[in-house]
Amino acid sequence: GAVVSQHPSWVICKSGTSVKIECRSLDFQATTMFWYRQFPKQSLMLMATSNEGSKATYEQGVEKDKFLINHASLTLSTLTVTSAHPEDSSFYICSARAGQDYNEQFFGPGTRLTVL
Amino acid sequence: GQNIDQPTEMTATEGAIVQINCTYQTSGFNGLFWYQQHAGEAPTFLSYNVLDGLEEKGRFSSFLSRSKGYSYLLLKELQMKDSASYLCAVLDSNYQLIWGAGTKLIIKP
Repeated sequence: GAVVSQHPSWVICKSGTSVKIECRSLDFQATTMFWYRQFPKQSLMLMATSNEGSKATYEQGVEKDKFLINHASLTLSTLTVTSAHPEDSSFYICSARAGQDYNEQFFGPGTRLTVL
Repeated sequence: GQNIDQPTEMTATEGAIVQINCTYQTSGFNGLFWYQQHAGEAPTFLSYNVLDGLEEKGRFSSFLSRSKGYSYLLLKELQMKDSASYLCAVLDSNYQLIWGAGTKLIIKP
């Protein structure tokens, strides 16, 4: 199957700093990428959908100025958590979907963010 | 609104069979997915159903009834490594994945 990578796998940062998470599709072109957040013992929560070359579409309740998403190429999307606070500590997962194939999203391994 | 229901937690014995149910009410339907997620890891794809009936893949099978808004995931010959959360997700009319809260499956020796 298709492979999606995320970097870093985990990050610890101080409150007030910004953190960038990269999501890459390694062996296919991803026209659409999704960013999810998952708190302990809860299901995935979609944060935003990003299409290559256009602005991301954010879900209700997700601050677009705090969670900056850039999908500059068909293989790379980035999520920047700006001015991170302890409540932003979570498991962030990206997934990618190839152009015409709506049948499956391929998930990255996730990034665990801890804000002190 | 859109809603997906699945049991919060289930317990089963190693070597046995377990069925995890999922009911859904969504705006449109373009298929239903089952994912497995081990603690601290991202979900991994198990199955995709878009037509009614049973899809078998090794020890795992998935069933769909679109008229009833119902699916189940059947796991046979349970192994300890099957202890995980199982997520049901429906692709709606906008091709957005709507996620259930997941079923935590505990396997006991």
